[in-house]
Order: sequence, then C-alpha cells, then structure tokens
Amino acid sequence: DTGVSQDPRHKITKRGQNVTFRCDPISEHNRLYWYRQTLGQGPEFLTYFQNEAQLEKSRLLSDRFSAERPKGSFSTLEIQRTEQGDSAMYLCASSPRDRYYEQYFGPGTRLTVT
Amino acid sequence: AQKVTQAQTEISVVEKEDVTLDCVYETRDTTYYLFWYKQPPSGELVFLIRRNSFDEQNEISGRYSWNFQKSTSSFNFTITASQVVDSAVYFCALTPMDSSYKLIFGSGTRLLVRP
Repeated sequence: DTGVSQDPRHKITKRGQNVTFRCDPISEHNRLYWYRQTLGQGPEFLTYFQNEAQLEKSRLLSDRFSAERPKGSFSTLEIQRTEQGDSAMYLCASSPRDRYYEQYFGPGTRLTVT
Repeated sequence: AQKVTQAQTEISVVEKEDVTLDCVYETRDTTYYLFWYKQPPSGELVFLIRRNSFDEQNEISGRYSWNFQKSTSSFNFTITASQVVDSAVYFCALTPMDSSYKLIFGSGTRLLVRP
C-alpha cells in the first residue's frame, strides 16, 4: 500500500495559463475526493468520484475547473485560464468501498499563480 | 447548514505543558462523524481520530485525549505533556452520514510547542 500520490508537488504558473494536476489513489479505493486549501484555512471540498462517475461538484468549482477519472483509477484536475485567486494547495483523498468516511490524503499540489 | 468552528487561531505552549484545542460544530443531521487531523509543515493531512454521533465516550490514546459532548456540540482535543514534535496545524472536521461523506473542516489551530 503506497498511499495516495499527487503530481506535481509544486507548480508555479503565470496568470492565464492552464494547469493540470494528477492524483493516484490507493489501489482498489473506489472513491476519490478533491479539496482546496488556501493559506490559513481548512480544506474545502471541490468534487468527488465514485469509480469513474463524478457524483458531486461544489459551487467552488467554477467552469474553469474540470476533473476527470476516466478509468476509475487516477484522476486529473485541470484549471483553465488560471487566476491569482487559484493559488492554493490542492489535496486529493481516496476512500475504500465500505468505509467512505475513512479518507486518506495525499501530500497535495501547491499551486502558485503569478 | 453545517459548520465547524475552531476559535483558537494559534496557541503557543512550553514543552510538557498540557494543551486543549477547541472544536464546536453545527449540523442538523442526527448522524454524523467527527474527526481530528494533524497537518505538519510538510503539508500532508494525518488522521488522528474519528468519532460517530452515537458514541459520546471520551477516548484516550497515549498523550492524546478527546472529549465529545453532543449537548454543547463540542469535540475538544487535549495533548498531555506536549512535545516539540506536536507542533503543527490541527483541524477538526465533520461529515454527515449521507451519500457523499465529504469532509467539512474548521479553519485550524496552529500549535507551537517551544522547547
């Protein structure tokens, strides 16, 4: 069990550019969650998948954000036309089928938009 | 509406002191889980404890203890004989036992333990 991994760990981009993050959950975990954490705040829910289906999206997820989990394994989160307000830590978590409340978090991707 | 409030933004103690981190929550759900997570400087969230709304028994794990009181909607966390390695940001979180189990976090309490 290698844990949840996220790539890249850090990303610096210029305003207006597109960025994509990847999350690899613990194998056989069928749920995958994305959260965003801004400086000095707790993580906030963005969206979650059960297998390949995206079941819920937060209002925080504007139309510039899109998430996918095409084969029910890894997931990607893309931000188009980044803005400075997108600067945050993006956290991914996965949970097993019979214990959805048990979320295991990855190390996060820290995005800085200049 | 669901909400978690951690009123203490930052706490500083000297090593070996006891410290209590407060957590107050709001929910209309009758069934829910409460959690505490630790976030060290590396950034990864580390799970500490989960309690469900049916069980108000307090819990002790080594130097850590948790006090859950439904009557006051509180789930406080005490570290006994604090150590420098306890320095981190601590988050309290809530999830209703619904279909999503999405976590609702408080804003965190930064604990600094000085040698």
